[in-house]
Amino acid sequence: GIQVEQSPPDLILQEGANSTLRCNFSDSVNNLQWFHQNPWGQLINLFYIPSGTKQNGRLSATTVATERYSLLYISSSQTTDSGVYFCAVEETSGSRLTFGEGTQLTVNP
Amino acid sequence: NAGVTQTPKFRILKIGQSMTLQCTQDMNHNYMYWYRQDPGMGLKLIYYSVGAGITDKGEVPNGYNVSRSTTEDFPLRLELAAPSQTSVYFCASSYYVGGDRGFGPGTRLTVT
Repeated sequence: GIQVEQSPPDLILQEGANSTLRCNFSDSVNNLQWFHQNPWGQLINLFYIPSGTKQNGRLSATTVATERYSLLYISSSQTTDSGVYFCAVEETSGSRLTFGEGTQLTVNP
Repeated sequence: NAGVTQTPKFRILKIGQSMTLQCTQDMNHNYMYWYRQDPGMGLKLIYYSVGAGITDKGEVPNGYNVSRSTTEDFPLRLELAAPSQTSVYFCASSYYVGGDRGFGPGTRLTVT
């Protein structure tokens, strides 16, 4: 099956800093999503982005499907951004969303 | 729309007991999914359904059963609960394959 690798596995920031999270995947995809899992365990859908670039407030994401990677940018980070960020992809040949292992982000005040 | 709803939110089972986790969506989505998330890990697919009456196994189906009698509901059945099934269970849905997945709030299950 498809492999999904996220980096870095852990990231500690001071409030106000910017960060970039990366997701590499091993095969063509027809779906790529970024999720934020908050400290209470809730999964929040950030972006549906199989290709191209999207922005939502301080967050933006870019997927370069031909090179099999996606980037999530967080600008002016806030303590409420803390949690785990997951990248999940779905192969063009299947109907299963495969998750990476996540990036644990801690934003300190 | 309420989106994807799951009940119960929390449950403690004794080894060998059975239970059903409920999942309902009101978006008329064809595709529904059950995932489990073990501590510190990503989500793994248990079962999925592409429409009423059709289900298929995911990565980790052992110990679980599902049914899909209506478009809206996709219950997950645990028979003979084991400590290895202690996890958080998420239900999700999408309108079409490759579509945006919406996730429910999760059910935290502990088997002791």
